[in-house]
Amino acid sequence: GENVEQHPSTLSVQEGDSAVIKCTYSDSASNYFPWYKQELGKRPQLIIDIRSNVGEKKDQRIAVTLNKTAKHFSLHITETQPEDSAVYFCAASITLYGGYNKLIFGAGTRLAVHP
Amino acid sequence: NAGVTQTPKFQVLKTGQSMTLQCAQDMNHEYMSWYRQDPGMGLRLIHYSVGAGITDQGEVPNGYNVSRSTTEDFPLRLLSAAPSQTSVYFCATRGAQPYEQYFGPGTRLTVT
Repeated sequence: GENVEQHPSTLSVQEGDSAVIKCTYSDSASNYFPWYKQELGKRPQLIIDIRSNVGEKKDQRIAVTLNKTAKHFSLHITETQPEDSAVYFCAASITLYGGYNKLIFGAGTRLAVHP
Repeated sequence: NAGVTQTPKFQVLKTGQSMTLQCAQDMNHEYMSWYRQDPGMGLRLIHYSVGAGITDQGEVPNGYNVSRSTTEDFPLRLLSAAPSQTSVYFCATRGAQPYEQYFGPGTRLTVT
């Protein structure tokens, strides 16, 4: 069945370093790949997303890359700051009957940025 | 404009009790979903709806019922609560375009 694997499960970096989180997906029909940030006790919030017809997308300090052939996509955060500390989830989406895009989530990466 | 709201924020149930988690949205979005979040497992889809009167099962539907009589509301019913249903439940909505899903603040449910 559909599956999304996410690595690493925890990531600790020094402020100013870069952080990379990687995901792989199983369903070749997946066409949309969002990344969510969840702070402790809060709801998940979308930080960046990419469609299957695009290889890379950047928004200030965050970027996402997609390799459809290998079914890999990655989140890159540069110049990390303490406020980047959170749990990050990747997801892969397929469009079902009726237009609903079903999201399959990875298990999450807990990122800690140390001052 | 409240976005997506969920009630209650916290709930403790005894095994076998039933209850309804409420979700409401004022964004006129067609698509609504219920997810549960458990440690180390990400978010898993319970049920979803593509419009009023239309619902379908997600990955983990057992023990839960939904209905969608209006665009705004999408309640999740636990028929007979079990300790395995202890989790944080999120409702989410999405319009036709773009693909972004908006999550509600969540309901933390404990079943003893």
